[in-house]
Amino acid sequence: GESVGLHLPTLSVQEGDNSIINCAYSNSASDYFIWYKQESGKGPQFIIDIRSNMDKRQGQRVTVLLNKTVKHLSLQIAATQPGDSAVYFCAENLGSTLGRLYFGRGTQLTVWP
Amino acid sequence: DAMVIQNPRYQVTQFGKPVTLSCSQTLNHNVMYWYQQKSSQAPKLLFHYYDKDFNNEADTPDNFQSRRPNTSFCFLDIRSPGLGDAAMYLCATSRDSAGGNQPQHFGDGTRLSIL
Repeated sequence: GESVGLHLPTLSVQEGDNSIINCAYSNSASDYFIWYKQESGKGPQFIIDIRSNMDKRQGQRVTVLLNKTVKHLSLQIAATQPGDSAVYFCAENLGSTLGRLYFGRGTQLTVWP
Repeated sequence: DAMVIQNPRYQVTQFGKPVTLSCSQTLNHNVMYWYQQKSSQAPKLLFHYYDKDFNNEADTPDNFQSRRPNTSFCFLDIRSPGLGDAAMYLCATSRDSAGGNQPQHFGDGTRLSIL
């Protein structure tokens, strides 16, 4: 499954499938990007980050891709599980080195058994 | 082991009655942030402390204030809450690094209701 976070705020996938959540960021000065997962009633949980000198970074079952040419960020989740159901946010730093983050619209991921 | 702790988890106050939300951290991070998150929306940065230096976002209303008495604690004060201030308030911390930005670690928030 694939979602553009700005236009399709929900994504439904079947357990075991791969998920792709997309994000179009706003500022070409941004050089640090981060994905968070937020479950209902909880705070955002760090998933993975990437700096602008990279175009791909992998974690456990997750991969982040950065395309600076078109200001596009994506999060790929392999073998999606029911526990992955949550809202996913991308965030950018707008070039700030002081750690300030600006969040994009979230995408609600629902995983069906 | 909770690392960023927000108390209380739920807070109810009356319209116009001052309220204080608390955040503590065991990470010894030098930067602390406060965000407001309304229902089905993204977290919005209100302000942050870099050590003792307070940094306000340009569009944060004057009604919102913050205090950081020491490294571990940070408070959000809402002087005269209005109905539009009902939201989840999230506290986060990060470690300043010469290598650039570091991930922020969030608490589970305080949900504020206004009667």
